[in-house]
Amino acid sequence: DAKTTQPNSMESNEEEPVHLPCNHSTISGTDYIHWYRQLPSQGPEYVIHGLTSNVNNRMASLAIAEDRKSSTLILHRATLRDAAVYYCILRDGGKLIFGQGTELSVKP
Amino acid sequence: DAMVIQNPRYQVTQFGKPVTLSCSQTLNHNVMYWYQQKSSQAPKLLFHYYDKDFNNEADTPDNFQSRRPNTSFCFLDIRSPGLGDAAMYLCATSRGQGSHNEQFFGPGTRLTVL
Repeated sequence: DAKTTQPNSMESNEEEPVHLPCNHSTISGTDYIHWYRQLPSQGPEYVIHGLTSNVNNRMASLAIAEDRKSSTLILHRATLRDAAVYYCILRDGGKLIFGQGTELSVKP
Repeated sequence: DAMVIQNPRYQVTQFGKPVTLSCSQTLNHNVMYWYQQKSSQAPKLLFHYYDKDFNNEADTPDNFQSRRPNTSFCFLDIRSPGLGDAAMYLCATSRGQGSHNEQFFGPGTRLTVL
């Protein structure tokens, strides 16, 4: 599986938008971009995924660069419950290979 | 609600004493996965089942085994736990193996080895 690069940590203020970047310069044409998050003491939770086009769901939006070498997870209004480690993962086939992720802290 | 259930949530075992962790799912998914997550690290895939087909990761120690007696249940057996096997063990399921499929994770079992 191709590798991703994410900042180790980010901070946000409550009720403000958060943009979590991910670089994946070696992405292949068949790799899907998946985002998962892990709240403290819980199992990872699916957030969103996409292939080429931007995607929206009830949790977040995923903006994918035209060349697909980077993507951004957008939380439109951060809440305290969004504090978690966010993993950007390239998936080609059945496996998820987790990188180190971005630890997001949200300040009230 | 359909879900992935792991029992127990906390397990304590002694060095060298075999231990079994269990996972069940009500999603009727074909694929089940086991991950190991050590403190402050990302989850690491140990193995997975696609239906009854077992797929072991190349670097998973022989000390770790798995059984899937039916669609709903999957077990992780650690034959001789060492101190280094203390970790959170996560079970996950997926409808299929295609890249578009999301994985659903259980809450994990935290294993302590004394």
